[in-house]
Amino acid sequence: GENVEQHPSTLSVQEGDSAVIKCTYSDSASNYFPWYKQELGKRPQLIIDIRSNVGEKKDQRIAVTLNKTAKHFSLHITETQPEDSAVYFCAASSTTDSWGKLQFGAGTQVVVTP
Amino acid sequence: AAGVIQSPRHLIKEKRETATLKCYPIPRHDTVYWYQQGPGQDPQFLISFYEKMQSDKGSIPDRFSAQQFSDYHSELNMSSLELGDSALYFCASSLGGGNTGELFFGEGSRLTVL
Repeated sequence: GENVEQHPSTLSVQEGDSAVIKCTYSDSASNYFPWYKQELGKRPQLIIDIRSNVGEKKDQRIAVTLNKTAKHFSLHITETQPEDSAVYFCAASSTTDSWGKLQFGAGTQVVVTP
Repeated sequence: AAGVIQSPRHLIKEKRETATLKCYPIPRHDTVYWYQQGPGQDPQFLISFYEKMQSDKGSIPDRFSAQQFSDYHSELNMSSLELGDSALYFCASSLGGGNTGELFFGEGSRLTVL
């Protein structure tokens, strides 16, 4: 089955700096890669996603890049703000499984200090 | 806008008891997914249903069962509860069993087994 690895496990950044989280996946059949933000005790919230036919996608301060050959994808947050502090999960979905069957990475605790 | 509704939001049970969690998907969504998230862990896929039929199965214990009803709501039944079943259980819904759009998560049901 799919295996998703996520790094780093914790990330501390100064407000205004950029944050980068990287994930690798193992299943070459994976074709959908969402990123979720989760605050303590809350539900995961989709912040951006990318499909395997696209190399990069941007939404305001958030961008995701995908390298299918290397099987890795990354989340970039620019101009970080204290409200960006949360746990971020990358995930992957394979064409061999039902689409919503997501394999999540272990998560990255992001702390943005003012 | 209507979201995914889960009930109960909190549940406390003793070991070996039974628990039932309910999920009401977004109106017109025909696909439901169940995820289990232990403390400090990433969400783990349990099971999914598309048009009232089981569409995929993950790491769901044999003590757990689930179904989707004619109105598309779903119930997760957990028997012979163990301490390790204490977790946040998320239900998510989507439209269409295939790669057609965003996965919407409910607020979760927190199960505590004593």
